[in-house]
Amino acid sequence: KAGVTQTPRYLIKTRGQQVTLSCSPISGHRSVSWYQQTPGQGLQFLFEYFSETQRNKGNFPGRFSGRQFSNSRSEMNVSTLELGDSALYLCASSPGTGPYQETQYFGPGTRLLVL
Amino acid sequence: AQKITQTQPGMFVQEKEAVTLDCTYDTSDQSYGLFWYKQPSSGEMIFLIYQGSYDEQNATEGRYSLNFQKARKSANLVISASQLGDSAMYFCAMRENNQGGKLIFGQGTELSVKP
Repeated sequence: KAGVTQTPRYLIKTRGQQVTLSCSPISGHRSVSWYQQTPGQGLQFLFEYFSETQRNKGNFPGRFSGRQFSNSRSEMNVSTLELGDSALYLCASSPGTGPYQETQYFGPGTRLLVL
Repeated sequence: AQKITQTQPGMFVQEKEAVTLDCTYDTSDQSYGLFWYKQPSSGEMIFLIYQGSYDEQNATEGRYSLNFQKARKSANLVISASQLGDSAMYFCAMRENNQGGKLIFGQGTELSVKP
């Protein structure tokens, strides 16, 4: 099976712009979760989508949003970019039907640099 | 309050020796899962091993084993016969039953394997 894919891999934006990141989960996986990784804050959960519905949300401002399509692909959008949004954005997928036992498999990440 | 604590920011180990990476966790949930991930410098998070809160035996996956001490709320990762390719960041993570797909990560331990 193909793994989780994320596009683009690298992105440079300027403050005030918006950005959209894409994630394609492992075939058959219906849950997609997004994480932000920074040197200062570590890995933080952004949100999870399952069957096109947001199932869980972390403590991020409303500038961070996401959606999931019927084929389980997910997009994450950040509006009005700030310097502090520079980070590695990781997407993870899992079947989504089991509770805490399910393993999440991660994509290679998108490195966003905001200038 | 920190839910996952990794107290070793950096560790060194000689090639072919065993190493233990520490992880303690905090949860009031009875049902939860504990995961270890490896993150090489490329950025991708690689799943290593899983331990469920009800599992009575310690999990093992090849050279990786998890030393699970439920009463002490610790889930240490043991890597046997270290290899140069094991040099990476290692993250301990927890998934609680009532939190859907949300993974809570520790700050990580950077492991360096010396030849």
